[in-house]
Amino acid sequence: DAMVIQNPRYQVTQFGKPVTLSCSQTLNHNVMYWYQQKSSQAPKLLFHYYDKDFNNEADTPDNFQSRRPNTSFCFLDIRSPGLGDAAMYLCATSMNTGNQPQHFGDGTRLSIL
Amino acid sequence: SQQGEEDPQALSIQEGENATMNCSYKTSINNLQWYRQNSGRGLVHLILIRSNEREKHSGRLRVTLDTSKKSSSLLITASRAADTASYFCATGGGSQGNLIFGKGTKLSVKP
Repeated sequence: DAMVIQNPRYQVTQFGKPVTLSCSQTLNHNVMYWYQQKSSQAPKLLFHYYDKDFNNEADTPDNFQSRRPNTSFCFLDIRSPGLGDAAMYLCATSMNTGNQPQHFGDGTRLSIL
Repeated sequence: SQQGEEDPQALSIQEGENATMNCSYKTSINNLQWYRQNSGRGLVHLILIRSNEREKHSGRLRVTLDTSKKSSSLLITASRAADTASYFCATGGGSQGNLIFGKGTKLSVKP
């Protein structure tokens, strides 16, 4: 089945230690998104790739970066995680932007020690 | 903020009852979408209703849209315990038309 896969499901890192979360898709969608979701809150868009074009949200901290080496894979890098970065990180894809339906992975729950 | 707002924040019902959730938004839209999120999982797209549509059905789901009131409702009929989840509405109010999600309604269906 075509899907969006996030690894790992759970990630624990130390305060200030860089961490990378990964996302892959078999849907061949040209847009990939990264969201941050804290407990009982709405998912908050961090950035998205339209093909190879990176689009950062205005309020996304510089601490968060992303890479998309090819259509199928996208990475979220947190350079120096702080306690406030503990959250669920969701990857999603869509065919084009313009409020198309999005397909989500099951997320990576990040904990900071 | 152009975020949608769901109402109520939490809803608890018995299996077999209907569940109604409401969403209000602030800007003009091309479409409005509803998503479900089971605990600890990703969001699942349920239904999309375009701005020129007033009602849409999908199985036990019924969505209405009133663009004059900038509001939408999601009705789940004959609810089941498996419907227990958070439900989010989303509209394209973000940069480049990206989706902005509301805070969600947490639905609990008791067997």
